[in-house]
Amino acid sequence: DAGVIQSPRHEVTEMGQEVTLRCKPISGHNSLFWYRQTMMRGLELLIYFNNNVPIDDSGMPEDRFSAKMPNASFSTLKIQPSEPRDSAVYFCASRNDRSNQPQHFGDGTRLSIL
Amino acid sequence: GENVEQHPSTLSVQEGDSAVIKCTYSDSASNYFPWYKQELGKRPQLIIDIRSNVGEKKDQRIAVTLNKTAKHFSLHITETQPEDSAVYFCAASNAGNMLTFGGGTRLMVKP
Repeated sequence: DAGVIQSPRHEVTEMGQEVTLRCKPISGHNSLFWYRQTMMRGLELLIYFNNNVPIDDSGMPEDRFSAKMPNASFSTLKIQPSEPRDSAVYFCASRNDRSNQPQHFGDGTRLSIL
Repeated sequence: GENVEQHPSTLSVQEGDSAVIKCTYSDSASNYFPWYKQELGKRPQLIIDIRSNVGEKKDQRIAVTLNKTAKHFSLHITETQPEDSAVYFCAASNAGNMLTFGGGTRLMVKP
């Protein structure tokens, strides 16, 4: 079991640049989640997909953030343009809700916007 | 929406002692309550979960209790070891998808 795979593990970029974070869920999992973790705000759910369809994006902070899931094995979270306050660790998680399984997290992407 | 409060924010115990972390939730429709352990620089990992149809669940040194009436649930770790040192997060959801996390508890186990 390869687990949830995220890339890159670390990203450092200058403000104003576009950032794309990638996630491959566990094979067979039909729900995918993007979280952001900061010291100030803790772990926040940004968006979740079920069967590749966005179900709830109420946690997406603003229009600069967008997420896609073109197929069952790949999702992206994009920030354009990036700002220093977007610096955080972004986690992707997946789950098989058909068998009522818990969420499994990837190793995260540590994003620093200078 | 759901709101989860977690206490204490930091907890220091002596090796071998017990540790208890408490969470309260606001949405009476929540029926799934997982606990995650996060070591420094690592991903959150599920350590135990409980559904609203049971009041207690145990797995070796870890147990979770749930009081639906009072809307609170607790994590109990017995015979703590230095490797239990980490940040622990509780969460609540309806059916397991939209998890709302507590603020976390930093547990330090002193040898």
